[in-house]
Amino acid sequence: EVQLVESGGGLVQVGGSLRLSCESSGFTFSAYGMVWVRQAPGKGLEWVSGITETGVRTFYADSVKGRFSISRDNSQKTLYLQMRSLRAEDTAVYYCAKDGGETQGGIDHWGQGTLVTVSS
Amino acid sequence: YELTQPPSVSVSPGQTARITCSGDALAKEFAYWYRQRPGQAPVTLIYKDTERPSGIPERFSGSSSGTTVTLTISGVQAEDEADYYCQSADNSGLYWVFGGGTKVTVL
Repeated sequence: EVQLVESGGGLVQVGGSLRLSCESSGFTFSAYGMVWVRQAPGKGLEWVSGITETGVRTFYADSVKGRFSISRDNSQKTLYLQMRSLRAEDTAVYYCAKDGGETQGGIDHWGQGTLVTVSS
Repeated sequence: YELTQPPSVSVSPGQTARITCSGDALAKEFAYWYRQRPGQAPVTLIYKDTERPSGIPERFSGSSSGTTVTLTISGVQAEDEADYYCQSADNSGLYWVFGGGTKVTVL
């Protein structure tokens, strides 16, 4: 069974930094791209960032480019999101999600999410 | 790049709900559909426009025509009341985007 467990969320001040982690199990982590998706309170889903299987290529939404950095440790089966220069509008539940790969595409499994609150 | 969904759809139990999602890149890129119940993580309903993952009931189906994709829920049940999101990518295929979401209300 695929499991994705996020951690690292919490309360941080505007301008601060936070690092999210996503521990995976139940699949060959190194064989799949991974993404981060967020959801502000009462709002819709927003794709934040993606990373290829090897970690060589990374992609970011314009709203976080230059402030967030996605990375992965395939030996630890863990995905990361380093967030810097946080703004109030970054307040959201952050979901770690597994790319469905060549067969399915899109997202085939989601974590339960971790809440990030950016306060002034 | 944007995907456009209606904010809400209302349907009576047993009837059919159709949710559209429009965007220029849908003519080239696949679409995916996710359901999110209150307080829960999203769940994948449809992938690559029309395919259904194992475990998803047959009453959920997807279709595509040009720059519009449609999620159809046949024989709507009370448990289908949720938010539904389409997702695709821009023309490069590298940058993903979600539609604004559609709240389905079962009357």
